[in-house]
Amino acid sequence: QKEVEQNSGPLSVPEGAIASLNCTYSDRGSQSFFWYRQYSGKSPELIMSIYSNGDKEDGRFTAQLNKASQYVSLLIRDSQPSDSATYLCAGGRRNQGGKLIFGQGTELSVKP
Amino acid sequence: GAGVSQSPSNKVTEKGKDVELRCDPISGHTALYWYRQSLGQGLEFLIYFQGNSAPDKSGLPSDRFSAERTGGSVSTLTIQRTQQEDSAVYLCASSLRGDSGNTIYFGEGSWLTVV
Repeated sequence: QKEVEQNSGPLSVPEGAIASLNCTYSDRGSQSFFWYRQYSGKSPELIMSIYSNGDKEDGRFTAQLNKASQYVSLLIRDSQPSDSATYLCAGGRRNQGGKLIFGQGTELSVKP
Repeated sequence: GAGVSQSPSNKVTEKGKDVELRCDPISGHTALYWYRQSLGQGLEFLIYFQGNSAPDKSGLPSDRFSAERTGGSVSTLTIQRTQQEDSAVYLCASSLRGDSGNTIYFGEGSWLTVV
């Protein structure tokens, strides 16, 4: 069983719609969670971090964490074609420094 | 430099040869990480350096892989006797400190192809 699991997609949404990306994790000791965006041929860039249960909003992005269900999600409102990328979910333990366990990524395609 | 710098950006090597990949982290960052990303796969943790502490080598896939960090700054990842399954993008990253609450910044990667 993979420690962090994501649907590989591709997830296709029309421009302006809400894109919903989901991630589950198996390590109950994970305390920090991150969403990275990766354009083809480029390195990952951090878009959201979340550490507490509930929602965290930043512009068009909302991250949600439910530790009881071991579930993390990312909502992208008003999706734009420029949001088309692979989104990587990652989790880590504070006592393991920045060692993160990444999911395989979900490919998102936003159609104009 | 402003970001994490890696070299070479691309490397093609013959099976059985040794390769060295270099990483120059963001100035002032005490933590440095190496990850590997194979085609269509997520990132796989390899090794983590934090200040002068012993590195966390738990992700290195075999004893052909090693890494060092000199002077708390530049790091070199060495792969000995390369195999075709070593073909991947090797990503270096750094963060200001080593706890997982810190943002990790990735370099552009070194694309390794073993033929």
